[in-house]
Amino acid sequence: DVKVTQSSRYLVKRTGEKVFLECVQDMDHENMFWYRQDPGLGLRLIYFSYDVKMKEKGDIPEGYSVSREKKERFSLILESASTNQTSMYLCASSLLGHLYEQYFGPGTRLTVT
Amino acid sequence: KQEVTQIPAALSVPEGENLVLNCSFTDSAIYNLQWFRQDPGKGLTSLLLIQSSQREQTSGRLNASLDKSSGRSTLYIAASQPGDSATYLCAVRTNDMRFGAGTRLTVKP
Repeated sequence: DVKVTQSSRYLVKRTGEKVFLECVQDMDHENMFWYRQDPGLGLRLIYFSYDVKMKEKGDIPEGYSVSREKKERFSLILESASTNQTSMYLCASSLLGHLYEQYFGPGTRLTVT
Repeated sequence: KQEVTQIPAALSVPEGENLVLNCSFTDSAIYNLQWFRQDPGKGLTSLLLIQSSQREQTSGRLNASLDKSSGRSTLYIAASQPGDSATYLCAVRTNDMRFGAGTRLTVKP
């Protein structure tokens, strides 16, 4: 079974703090994704990566950056957290190509106060 | 830009009922369509993946169909159970992946 894990289930941070969200997958998937999920807006793609050190912006990259130094690990970074970044963050991975399904982690609920 | 719509937003049914969840999309040039289940406060669990060349996929009491030309997919759940209560999302893959907002299903005992 594919396993995608996220470093924290719940996180509370203060405005202006630097926040790291970690995602690890154990199935040697090339693609990794970060989404945020907000009520009424569904899932929106923040960034994705199709290889080590490669990254592409999604629909809402502003205020976020990512890092992929190893194939199994994809980090989402909030350089200076703001209250409008309070959300559920979901990581996913898949094999390279359009035909393969995405597997999701359990999510991190981030609250910025 | 691909738009994915799920209707209804919420559905409540008595246990044992068969039900259909709907997903529609605006761009029929898709690679695949995936149905997910999400329990409250949790991540997404993949239920079924239908490739663009397929018409349907089945897993247990679940059956998903795909009609690319009309831009529709349905998820059929047979003999619903309280444990089926969750939010069901569809996602459509073109050059990226677009999600519907989901249908929140409640199955009452």
